[in-house]
Formats: sequence, structure tokens, C-alpha cells
Amino acid sequence: KAGVTQTPRYLIKTRGQQVTLSCSPISGHRSVSWYQQTPGQGLQFLFEYFSETQRNKGNFPGRFSGRQFSNSRSEMNVSTLELGDSALYLCASSLEQSGMNTEAFFGQGTRLTVV
Amino acid sequence: ILNVEQSPQSLHVQEGDSTNFTCSFPSSNFYALHWYRWETAKSPEALFVMTLNGDEKKKGRISATLNTKEGYSYLYIKGSQPEDSATYLCAFGDSGGSNYKLTFGKGTLLTVNP
Repeated sequence: KAGVTQTPRYLIKTRGQQVTLSCSPISGHRSVSWYQQTPGQGLQFLFEYFSETQRNKGNFPGRFSGRQFSNSRSEMNVSTLELGDSALYLCASSLEQSGMNTEAFFGQGTRLTVV
Repeated sequence: ILNVEQSPQSLHVQEGDSTNFTCSFPSSNFYALHWYRWETAKSPEALFVMTLNGDEKKKGRISATLNTKEGYSYLYIKGSQPEDSATYLCAFGDSGGSNYKLTFGKGTLLTVNP
């Protein structure tokens, strides 16, 4: 069965621009979580969507937003990009809400560089 | 803010050595403890998901234990091989509030020298 697909894999944007990242979960999975990884930091939780509803949000500014569609695909948007937003963005899908007793399956990530 | 600590931060061992790392997490609102292996240029992959105090899980040469009362989990690798080189992440699943969430530690980077 197909894994979690993230697009694009790499992206270069200029400060002040906005960007949209996409995540297609494993078929049948209703939960999609987004994480940011920067050098020296662990995976920082951004938000989670479950059945089209945002169930949880991490400590990120309002410039970071997301949504989930009826087919469970999710998009993450970052507006007014800053240099510090340069990071690897990972999404993970799971059958149940993250934090429960089912494993998360990760995509390969989108490497965003803001110049 | 939940604190999930992993130690050591990095580790170099020789092929054939056995090794272990620690994950510490809050002892309240515990729901699950996850371990993931993240190899360079790949996606993190789940190793274990544990929910019960005293749980022990094993997959080949890798095993994990869980103590929810004192808030720690150990990951053991027996007879390390170069292909075990990766970052090992633990994640604490909490049931605080109305929604569940996974909080990751910063990981332990394991390098196995041939």
C-alpha cells in the first residue's frame, strides 16, 4: 500500500512570501499531523487534523495554518515567510489520533529554504 | 510544555557492542510511548508503541522497556551493526485535555563503526 506522500520535496522561497505544502496520508488514515524540524531541535509539533477538524495545535504563530480535506489529504500554509522558517517539514498519518496506541507513518518531508 | 528528554544525545559504538538509551517523560496523563528510528535521508519509522507499565517489546536485536510510574523507557540494541546507525526518537503520547498529542524528544544519534 502506498505510503505517506509529501509534495514538493524541496522548496526555495523569499522572505515575505507564502508557501503551501501538501500531505497525502495512507489510505484509510484519518489523522494527519505536521512537524517542523530544525538543526538541534527535535520534531516540533505544529498541528493535527482528524476527520477534517483541527484537534490540536502546537506553539507556533498564527502564520502557520493548515486544513484537511474530505479525502484526508492535508495542506499546511505558512504566510509572510521568515528566515527562521527554513526547516524540514514532516507530516505523519495514523489510524487514530496521534499520541494514542497506533504508530505514525511519516512522509519524506519537504525541505523549505527561505532566502 | 511537556518535557521529553533523551540521553545520551549521541553515541559511538563498535560493531558487535550492545548499547542502550533512555527516554524520560512526564508520569502524568500518560497514554502511550512511541519509539522511532530515523535513518539519514529516510523517513522516521516506528519501532514500538507501548502503553502498559512494565511493557517489554522486542523486534530482532532491538528491545524496549517501559516504566510509566517513574516516567522512563529504555531502548536496547544487542550486537550493534553499522546498519543500526540512525537517530532514535521517543515520543510521549498524552491524554491531557480533550485531545491526544505526541511530543517528541530530540533523539539519540547512534553511530556504529565497522
